[in-house]
Amino acid sequence: ILNVEQSPQSLHVQEGDSTNFTCSFPSSNFYALHWYRWETAKSPEALFVMTLNGDEKKKGRISATLNTKEGYSYLYIKGSQPEDSATYLCAQKTSYDKVIFGPGTSLSVIP
Amino acid sequence: EAQVTQNPRYLITVTGKKLTVTCSQNMNHEYMSWYRQDPGLGLRQIYYSMNVEVTDKGDVPEGYKVSRKEKRNFPLILESPSPNQTSLYFCASSLRRTGGNTEAFFGQGTRLTVV
Repeated sequence: ILNVEQSPQSLHVQEGDSTNFTCSFPSSNFYALHWYRWETAKSPEALFVMTLNGDEKKKGRISATLNTKEGYSYLYIKGSQPEDSATYLCAQKTSYDKVIFGPGTSLSVIP
Repeated sequence: EAQVTQNPRYLITVTGKKLTVTCSQNMNHEYMSWYRQDPGLGLRQIYYSMNVEVTDKGDVPEGYKVSRKEKRNFPLILESPSPNQTSLYFCASSLRRTGGNTEAFFGQGTRLTVV
């Protein structure tokens, strides 16, 4: 994998459903993996920064895991709420300081 | 309040007329970066700076210049804007490397239209 990829591109879930999405990235030259939440008409806001293989981070109903050897990270949202509707971006920071963003997963939570 | 400030927020200009978008941060961050966001393409890094007087090209540097004379400021310069530079631009800053705590703080965005 030469780029950072995210799947699915978009997702519609019912309020209360749990969901997850994937970020795939090149495992070479890895320094850190970032997750951001981006609401319409606002700026991206950081959710997590993960650096070590096997890292797991949690913030409220949102959690993330990291596998640097195989080059993927999962973001989980438990019990989705309408306010979770946003685009979720992952970004890889390389060991030479470049940052590569994925295209994002757009989440819509239907009340 | 910790913040990244970009100006202007909106700009319409004509092809070939030089412009500068300013970016300033008050968090003493070493790392600053410019991105453009285009539909279907996500955020693409234009230039980044690891510290004062140290800059490097991102994925889409053509048509842009940057400078980092002071730690807090990282202006983006378009010497001769063209319509394909119409986009939403974000400036971001972060600590460079502190055990991984390197999440970026983003400015409010600048919507640029080149006609």
